[in-house]
Amino acid sequence: AQKITQTQPGMFVQEKEAVTLDCTYDTSDQSYGLFWYKQPSSGEMIFLIYQGSYDEQNATEGRYSLNFQKARKSANLVISASQLGDSAMYFCAMRRSNDYKLSFGAGTTVTVRA
Amino acid sequence: EAGVAQSPRYKIIEKRQSVAFWCNPISGHATLYWYQQILGQGPKLLIQFQNNGVVDDSQLPKDRFSAERLKGVDSTLKIQPAKLEDSAVYLCASSLGQVSYEQYFGPGTRLTVT
Repeated sequence: AQKITQTQPGMFVQEKEAVTLDCTYDTSDQSYGLFWYKQPSSGEMIFLIYQGSYDEQNATEGRYSLNFQKARKSANLVISASQLGDSAMYFCAMRRSNDYKLSFGAGTTVTVRA
Repeated sequence: EAGVAQSPRYKIIEKRQSVAFWCNPISGHATLYWYQQILGQGPKLLIQFQNNGVVDDSQLPKDRFSAERLKGVDSTLKIQPAKLEDSAVYLCASSLGQVSYEQYFGPGTRLTVT
């Protein structure tokens, strides 16, 4: 079974600063995908960024980048130049390539301070 | 493009009552997912449909939960009878296909069982 661990239940960050959200995963699969989702107070999950296990380059999407360290089984999300609208819950997730099921971590709450 | 629609947004029922949730996925999306998100946890997949067939319902408590997607478009998730531990947000998501990595989520239905 695969397990996703997010050890930071909550974080505060100053507006315009960068923040790193930790995610580690446990799998014996060779092929898998890693995701980050944002869940604002409105409730819907918003897809942010994706990293395939065979991708050599770290994924980037605007202010989001994924720091992928395969040997450490780590997939940390970096949000640069934080904005007030970034305040939300952030979930790390992994998808197996054999059945495409998404497994989520427990999430990290980010609060951006003005 | 219209997003994933869900209704109702909120529902309060007493234990042992029944309840149904409705989901309308993005047009053209063949794969539909229902997730249960208990407060403080990440979403957990309950059931996955490919068109109108069930791909995975291994985590669906079949003694009380049922779901259908009769025409391969809209879907209904039912709980009968509800228990206190069913209090959660029920998220519906859709994707173009099972292999497509991006899932689009609806706003969710927040269920409170008293």
